[in-house]
Amino acid sequence: KAGVTQTPRYLIKTRGQQVTLSCSPISGHRSVSWYQQTPGQGLQFLFEYFSETQRNKGNFPGRFSGRQFSNSRSEMNVSTLELGDSALYLCASSLADPTNEKLFFGSGTQLSVL
Amino acid sequence: QKEVEQNSGPLSVPEGAIASLNCTYSDRGSQSFFWYRQYSGKSPELIMSIYSNGDKEDGRFTAQLNKASQYVSLLIRDSQPSDSATYLCAVNRGGGADGLTFGKGTHLIIQP
Repeated sequence: KAGVTQTPRYLIKTRGQQVTLSCSPISGHRSVSWYQQTPGQGLQFLFEYFSETQRNKGNFPGRFSGRQFSNSRSEMNVSTLELGDSALYLCASSLADPTNEKLFFGSGTQLSVL
Repeated sequence: QKEVEQNSGPLSVPEGAIASLNCTYSDRGSQSFFWYRQYSGKSPELIMSIYSNGDKEDGRFTAQLNKASQYVSLLIRDSQPSDSATYLCAVNRGGGADGLTFGKGTHLIIQP
């Protein structure tokens, strides 16, 4: 069974640009969660999608958005990039309830904002 | 504000000894508790979950939960060099609310 796939693996952008990250969950998993990981703040919850609907959202500005498609694949978008957005962005999938089930993490997208 | 606190370490333990990792949380409504292991440059992977007070054992790993003290711990028996990693404690109220809140992790080093 294929794991969670995230693309691209690395991204370099400049301030003010926007970026789109992609995540393909494990087959059969309907919940996709996104996390930002930085050395200073650790892992922070961005949002979670289930059946194409955003179910929960963390405490991030509106520049961070996402969506989920009918095949459960998910994308997250960051607009007007800031230097502080440099981080590892991790996607995690689970069957249905990410707060009570095992999360399967992808390898992440390392975003560098210059 | 939900918070999960862990000692960042590094925690150095001799090979074969017991490694004890601790985590405290601030939200009394938290119902689900997890320990994830993250090797350097890799993504987190779940090693233990616990939902009720007491101990839960899985192989060399034991998770302990004390909701009254808002305390979760992970014991690793017969520590191996391959256990060297960052251990992340994560908690949530359950029911899909707000995602998981992770601690910043404890860096564990097992000395051969």
